[in-house]
Amino acid sequence: QVQLQESGPGLVKASQTLSLTCSVSGGSVSSAGYSWTWFRQSAGKELEWIGRVYVSGSTDYRPSLKSRITISLDTSKNQFSLRLTSVTAADTAVYYCARGVSAEGTFDIWGQGTMVTVSS
Amino acid sequence: QSALTQPPSASGSPGQSVAISCTGTSSDIGSYKYVSWYQLHPGKAPKLIIYEVSKRPSGVPDRFSGSKSGNTASLTVSGLQAEDEADYYCSSYTGSNNPFVFGTGTKVTVL
Repeated sequence: QVQLQESGPGLVKASQTLSLTCSVSGGSVSSAGYSWTWFRQSAGKELEWIGRVYVSGSTDYRPSLKSRITISLDTSKNQFSLRLTSVTAADTAVYYCARGVSAEGTFDIWGQGTMVTVSS
Repeated sequence: QSALTQPPSASGSPGQSVAISCTGTSSDIGSYKYVSWYQLHPGKAPKLIIYEVSKRPSGVPDRFSGSKSGNTASLTVSGLQAEDEADYYCSSYTGSNNPFVFGTGTKVTVL
């Protein structure tokens, strides 16, 4: 079955760039009809949608993060990535990747998440 | 877009039922049939247990059921089992440029 696994540094310095990768196994990121999506959850807060990329390359981003985010797809490696620039302590969170099966928000497969701490 | 409101906690004994509410607005839950529920166990991948208000993905027991009335969605877990102890989050489509909003989360404890 399809599985997702996040990877990347657990510690990022403030003002630098957070880069995470989600590796997909048991399926292809090139499959039609899916979005490949990033979420995060800060301590004590609700899950927050960050953005998504489709196999076409089109993207949607959370408006409050749009100026700092890039989500991209690498079909040759069967993975997708998140880049978040100019990070602050407010970006400290558990970051999850997930597969979306509808544009309206059914996310059926998730990674187990990776903790990213922004240090000063 | 404000978070959807869930009770912080709910509990029940094995075999009992527990219901979790998720209150939004006419801009999210009240306008769309796209309400999902996710189960989170610490350190594990979130699991989709209900989508489109009341549909269950393959493999999810029918002990889990969802419904919606007005601006409030509900998740009911019947016949509670120890493995149901987890955090549960609702989510709704909003149709805006920030298309998905999540609930504040409910910790379910099996007594």
